[in-house]
Formats: sequence, structure tokens, C-alpha cells
Amino acid sequence: EADIYQTPRYLVIGTGKKITLECSQTMGHDKMYWYQQDPGMELHLIHYSYGVNSTEKGDLSSESTVSRIRTEHFPLTLESARPSHTSQYLCASSGGTREAFFGQGTRLTVV
Amino acid sequence: AQKITQTQPGMFVQEKEAVTLDCTYDTSDPSYGLFWYKQPSSGEMIFLIYQGSYDQQNATEGRYSLNFQKARKSANLVISASQLGDSAMYFCAMREGGDSSASKIIFGSGTRLSIRP
Repeated sequence: EADIYQTPRYLVIGTGKKITLECSQTMGHDKMYWYQQDPGMELHLIHYSYGVNSTEKGDLSSESTVSRIRTEHFPLTLESARPSHTSQYLCASSGGTREAFFGQGTRLTVV
Repeated sequence: AQKITQTQPGMFVQEKEAVTLDCTYDTSDPSYGLFWYKQPSSGEMIFLIYQGSYDQQNATEGRYSLNFQKARKSANLVISASQLGDSAMYFCAMREGGDSSASKIIFGSGTRLSIRP
């Protein structure tokens, strides 16, 4: 059973607010990822990390930022939320060459 | 650059029949991994099967098998004896670069599979 957790599961927030989506894993994985997914659509990689203090932007440009101060924690922050940020955000982690384990996702709605 | 292509946006299959979901990929890296995930309407991502680029045999996991044709750069998912619970979105994914720190995982656009009773 994969141990990767995202909070909150659902978030409705007003335009202009700062938000942080939390992601934690207890598997000691060095690689972590954030994907953005609209309903029924493909997953777009927006950020990833190889390890502590390493972060890279993904293939889809995003106004969000990430940090990796601890191996187990990879939070995503939006400084000023907009309706265009409404989407599902999926966090994942992997070790070695095998599959990535996913959290349950955060469904964000910006009103 | 990496690229994953799934050409079937949607498929309908009769229960108990076998189904093949297509996936082609593009990479210049000799070391890579291929994955299939299932995403039910609840939104969670469920890992199904993995194939390494150097694996000699096609991967199998229960009712799932991966038809890996390296020369054609295809990695089709075969589901035998489909069940109603198989109705979901299916995503093909790829990691380039083996275990290098530079590796990332990218996904195709997905195929929505619907099983008819």
C-alpha cells in the first residue's frame, strides 16, 4: 500500500487568495512530482524534484511554485489564485525506475 | 523530447471480451520505462503494469499484459476477460533515463474504456 497523502482533498477559495497544497510521502522516495489534470483529460507535469533542495519545472507552464526542504514533503503554492487555476492537482513519488505512487489528489475551485 | 500518443479517445467493449488499448512512444534514450495507469471516476490513479526497455519478456499482471514492440515503439495494454469494473480512463506513461536523477514521468492523453454488460 502506497503511503502518499495530499491535503486538502477539496478546496474552494476566492480569487487572489494564497494557497498551499500539501503532499507528503513516507516511503523515502527521492523523486516527487506535481501534475495538473482537468476532468477527463491528460495529466500535465508542472513540477518535479529529484531530492532535497532540487526542483524543476515540468512541461506545462504553471504560476505555482514548489519547495523540497525535506525528503518526505513537497508542497505546492499559488501566491494569488485565479479561476484559471481551477483543476485537480495530483502529487506522486517514486524511487528507482519503477512506477510512481499517487496521492488522492486535491480538487481546487477558485471562485 | 519525450512523447506519448494514445490514439483512442474512447472505446466500448462487451463484458468478458478482451480489449487492447494502444500506446506509442517516442524517445531517443535507450533506457526507459513504460507504465499503464487506471483512473476510475473517483479520480485516483491506480498503477497497473510496468515494462522496462531492456526487459526481454512482455510484462503480465493478472488480467493485464503489455504488448511491447520495441522496434515499433509501441506498448499496448491488453485486458483479458473484461469486467464492468474495468470501465475507467487508462493512461500510458513513460520515464526516460533509467534511474538517473534527470528522469521524469510523462503521460499520454488517455483512453476512456466503457464496458457494456
